[in-house]
Amino acid sequence: GESVGLHLPTLSVQEGDNSIINCAYSNSASDYFIWYKQESGKGPQFIIDIRSNMDKRQGQRVTVLLNKTVKHLSLQIAATQPGDSAVYFCAENPRTFYNTDKLIFGTGTRLQVFP
Amino acid sequence: DSGVTQTPKHLITATGQRVTLRCSPRSGDLSVYWYQQSLDQGLQFLIQYYNGEERAKGNILERFSAQQFPDLHSELNLSSLELGDSALYFCASSFLDRASEAFFGQGTRLTVV
Repeated sequence: GESVGLHLPTLSVQEGDNSIINCAYSNSASDYFIWYKQESGKGPQFIIDIRSNMDKRQGQRVTVLLNKTVKHLSLQIAATQPGDSAVYFCAENPRTFYNTDKLIFGTGTRLQVFP
Repeated sequence: DSGVTQTPKHLITATGQRVTLRCSPRSGDLSVYWYQQSLDQGLQFLIQYYNGEERAKGNILERFSAQQFPDLHSELNLSSLELGDSALYFCASSFLDRASEAFFGQGTRLTVV
């Protein structure tokens, strides 16, 4: 199942390096995916999204890759900065409700950036 | 600042008690979502309201209930509290009925002792 806090996988990267955070989603019918960033003491914050008809989308210093064949999502952060230190969650929209989307959050990954 | 306000920020209470968490959505947003974030379960969707009416239900216990008032603020009521209810409770809001477009508040940390 999903886990945060003590059970959270951690990725440690050096400032300036690129970071890659991975996520496996569960529902092959999901057609929309989001990456969130959650800093300590704050709520999740939208970073970037991607629809299932795309396999790559780029934002400012971030890129999301979608592999529908293996139901895998990744978030790439270029030139990682100390301010990128946070927990990152992927979320999928399984479209199980008519006219309502309900997000299912994946396992978070804690990103630690060291100088 | 997302514009979503949750009160209180911290709450400590005893088992068996009842608490009410409050959420003020962003100005103009009609939809409110409640999520629970605990150490062993991650972020779980509880319930959604849209313009005063319940819209979708997730993994919400029968001991928990929520409502959205005419001024669009929402309250999450947690009763017969157990130690396992200790968690962060987040509220999010969006203008339309789309969770993917919602902004999150800073959460209420509930500790049940």
